[in-house]
Amino acid sequence: RKEVEQDPGPFNVPEGATVAFNCTYSNSASQSFFWYRQDCRKEPKLLMSVYSSGNEDGRFTAQLNRASQYISLLIRDSKLSDSATYLCVVNPDNYGQNFVFGPGTRLSVLP
Amino acid sequence: NAGVTQTPKFQVLKTGQSMTLQCAQDMNHNSMYWYRQDPGMGLRLIYYSASEGTTDKGEVPNGYNVSRLNKREFSLRLESAAPSQTSVYFCASTRSLSGGALSEALRQYFGPGTRLTVL
Repeated sequence: RKEVEQDPGPFNVPEGATVAFNCTYSNSASQSFFWYRQDCRKEPKLLMSVYSSGNEDGRFTAQLNRASQYISLLIRDSKLSDSATYLCVVNPDNYGQNFVFGPGTRLSVLP
Repeated sequence: NAGVTQTPKFQVLKTGQSMTLQCAQDMNHNSMYWYRQDPGMGLRLIYYSASEGTTDKGEVPNGYNVSRLNKREFSLRLESAAPSQTSVYFCASTRSLSGGALSEALRQYFGPGTRLTVL
């Protein structure tokens, strides 16, 4: 089993739709979790960190389920500009020495 | 602040040639990383440097060497390039253990990438 797994998509959704991605991780000792966004042929950029209690940033909501070892990202009221690949990143410890990236989920928001 | 810079942006090599990818950050970050990204595989860690003067192997270190020249600079060297090393290479940095919010300490800042083709 891969350390971090994501559905590669693509998810094709109309503008205004709500879309959710899941990411599963295999290391139960993992401590820190992140969602990064990567536009085509560009570098990844942090979208949001994922906290145990869940967190929200505007139209984006991230949740962590430690019991089932997955994190989720919910995007409400999708915009064309949300089209990108969303990378799930897991850090097994809190020392920042080993970040494990998922393969990414591709989202296309259609007009 | 320029953030994380990488040179070159593009490079084509022949099998067996050598080259060095340069990376620099101006955020006074402690840790630096080299990743490669291949289609459908996500980013894979090649080497990292937790702090100035230290380097460690990541998931895919074979065929590469690194140098943490100082706190700002972290270079990746291909001694004898192979077609399997055709990839996009990203350098990243994090503040790491310097106090403050943990999520910000582990936030990775990436350079724009180097697209390498080995023929």
